[in-house]
Amino acid sequence: EVQLVESGGGLVQPGGSLRLSCAASGFTFSSYAMHWVRQAPGKGLEYVSAISSNGGSTYYANSVKGRFTISRDNSKNTLYLQMGSLRAEDMAVYYCARVLPSYVIDPWGQGTLVTVSS
Amino acid sequence: QSALTQPASVSGSPGQSITISCTGTSSDVGGYNYVSWYQQHPGKAPKLMIYDVSNRPSGVSNRFSGSKSGNTASLTISGLQAEDEADYYCSSYTSSSTPLVFGGGTKLTVL
Repeated sequence: EVQLVESGGGLVQPGGSLRLSCAASGFTFSSYAMHWVRQAPGKGLEYVSAISSNGGSTYYANSVKGRFTISRDNSKNTLYLQMGSLRAEDMAVYYCARVLPSYVIDPWGQGTLVTVSS
Repeated sequence: QSALTQPASVSGSPGQSITISCTGTSSDVGGYNYVSWYQQHPGKAPKLMIYDVSNRPSGVSNRFSGSKSGNTASLTISGLQAEDEADYYCSSYTSSSTPLVFGGGTKLTVL
């Protein structure tokens, strides 16, 4: 069974940092691009970042560029999102997701909640 | 970059059909057949319902169908059932600086 399990969310103060992890299983992790997508409370889905299968290419939404860094360790089947200079507007559930051809996202992880508050 | 445009809400009675639109531009929806639709129940992760405009993944009911005309994609749900009540999001590949853009989401209410 294909599974994505996020961890690392929690409460952080404005300006602080947090690293999210996503453990993948049930598929050949190194063969797939991966995305991070977030959802603020009561709001819609927002694309955050993407990374190619070998980690050689990365993409960021303008809202997080320069503050967030996506990376992956294919030997550990794990995706990361290093988040810095966190703001109130970064508060959201962060989903890890596998990217299929045609930019199809399937499956999604269960999400991890990041709360930014003093 | 701008999100794709979806109606905030739609509603229908059990057994009826509804259609949710997703409007973009020639740089995303209109330029590529890479439109997907996702269903999200409260407190749950999104679930893929339609990909490549009109294809259904294995296990998704054939009551769900997708189409596209110009810069607008559509999701149609026929024979509405109570369990279809959820939020629905479209997404598309885009040729802008980031490869993917989402719609703002549509809340489907089954009356």
